[in-house]
Amino acid sequence: KAGVTQTPRYLIKTRGQQVTLSCSPISGHRSVSWYQQTPGQGLQFLFEYFSETQRNKGNFPGRFSGRQFSNSRSEMNVSTLELGDSALYLCASSPGPMETQYFGPGTRLLVL
Amino acid sequence: QQQVKQSPQSLIVQKGGISIINCAYENTAFDYFPWYQQFPGKGPALLIAIRPDVSEKKEGRFTISFNKSAKQFSLHIMDSQPGDSATYFCAASESNDYKLSFGAGTTVTVRA
Repeated sequence: KAGVTQTPRYLIKTRGQQVTLSCSPISGHRSVSWYQQTPGQGLQFLFEYFSETQRNKGNFPGRFSGRQFSNSRSEMNVSTLELGDSALYLCASSPGPMETQYFGPGTRLLVL
Repeated sequence: QQQVKQSPQSLIVQKGGISIINCAYENTAFDYFPWYQQFPGKGPALLIAIRPDVSEKKEGRFTISFNKSAKQFSLHIMDSQPGDSATYFCAASESNDYKLSFGAGTTVTVRA
């Protein structure tokens, strides 16, 4: 079975721009979660989608949004980028609650 | 605020030695405790997980010890090998919740 894939792997943007990141979960997994990883804040939960519905959201501003499609693929969008948004954005898929979350390799975003 | 506190921040161990990483939590609703291993440039990968009805779980050289009354759990890496050099994260989640709360991470360096 193919693992979680994320595209693009690397991205450079400038302040004020917006960005869309994509995640394809493991086949059969209906839950997709997004995390932000930075050296200072560590791994922080952004949001989780199940069957196209956002079920949980972390403490991030409204500039961070996401969606999930009927094939379980997910996208996250960050609008009006700030320097502090530079991070590794990780997507994880899971077959069910309290089941293993399988992480993708991440998208490294650099905001200049 | 960090819901899971992890220590130490880093540790160095000789090949063949034992690495011990500790985590503590406050939220008594947490009932799933996974440990993840992350290599540079990769996403976190599940190492081992435990639920509070078990006080210890062993998989190969990796053992989780869980103390429900103290709200603490720890990872022991026995016979540490240079290939174990990585960052280790403890995490916790509540029932039927996909959101993982991560510790700050411990960078383990195994010297040959």
